[in-house]
Amino acid sequence: DIVMTQSPDSLAVSLGERATINCKSSQSLLYGSNVRNYLAWYQQKPGQPPKLLIYWASTRESGVPERFSGSGSGTDFTLTISSLQAEDVAVYYCQQYYSESNTFGQGTKVEI
Amino acid sequence: QLHLQESGPGLVKPSETLSLTCIVSGYSINSGYYWGWIRQAPGKGLECIGSLYHTGRTYYNPSLKSRVTISVDTSKNELSLKVNSVTAADTAVYYCVRHQSVGVPGAIEYWGQGRLVAVSP
Repeated sequence: DIVMTQSPDSLAVSLGERATINCKSSQSLLYGSNVRNYLAWYQQKPGQPPKLLIYWASTRESGVPERFSGSGSGTDFTLTISSLQAEDVAVYYCQQYYSESNTFGQGTKVEI
Repeated sequence: QLHLQESGPGLVKPSETLSLTCIVSGYSINSGYYWGWIRQAPGKGLECIGSLYHTGRTYYNPSLKSRVTISVDTSKNELSLKVNSVTAADTAVYYCVRHQSVGVPGAIEYWGQGRLVAVSP
C-alpha cells in the first residue's frame, strides 16, 4: 500500500491568514504517460461526508473557492488556504489514487 | 443530479455479516464510473474498502479483501457491501461513493450521507 502522511496533525490560523497543509506519499504519484499526479484533497466538516476540493494535485473542483489551491509533484504535496474564513474550519485529507487501492492521509484539523 | 443513499442495519453482532445497500439515483451504474465504499471509524480517518467498475471488475483494500464483497444489482441500480465476521473494529460510518474514472478508481466526486454501523452484542 502507498502510505500517505500529512503534517501537521492540527493547526490554528487567524481569520484572513494563510493555512498550509502538507502531504507526503511513500512513493511517487506522478504517472509518466500523462504527466499527472494522482492526488486529491478533501474537506470534512463535523457530521458531513468529505467534499472534494482538489484533484490531479492542483485542479480545483467546480464551485470550490479560489482561496483553496493545491501544489506539488511526485511525493510531496501542499494544500493552501490563502485567506482562512470561518467556514473553512474542518478536517482536511489527502488521498492517492495512483494505485487501485486508494489510501488517505490521517487528516489535518484546521481551527481558528 | 446524482444522489447516493445508504441503507441497512445500524447494529450488527460480532462474528455476523454486515450488509449495506446504496440506492443510486440520477445516473445508471451500468453507464460507467467506479462505485465504491469508504468507511470512517468514530473520530478516525477515512479508509477505502473497495470499488467496482461498471463492467463488474472489483478492487478491494488488501487488509479487508478476505472478508468483503462489493456487488451491483443493475435492475435496481443499487450497490451492495457485505463484510463477513465483523468485530468491534468494523464499527464505522460507511459511505457509498462514486469515483472519477481515470483507469483506476480516481478522486471521489460524490458521497452518500453515510450510515453508522455499530458492532456490538
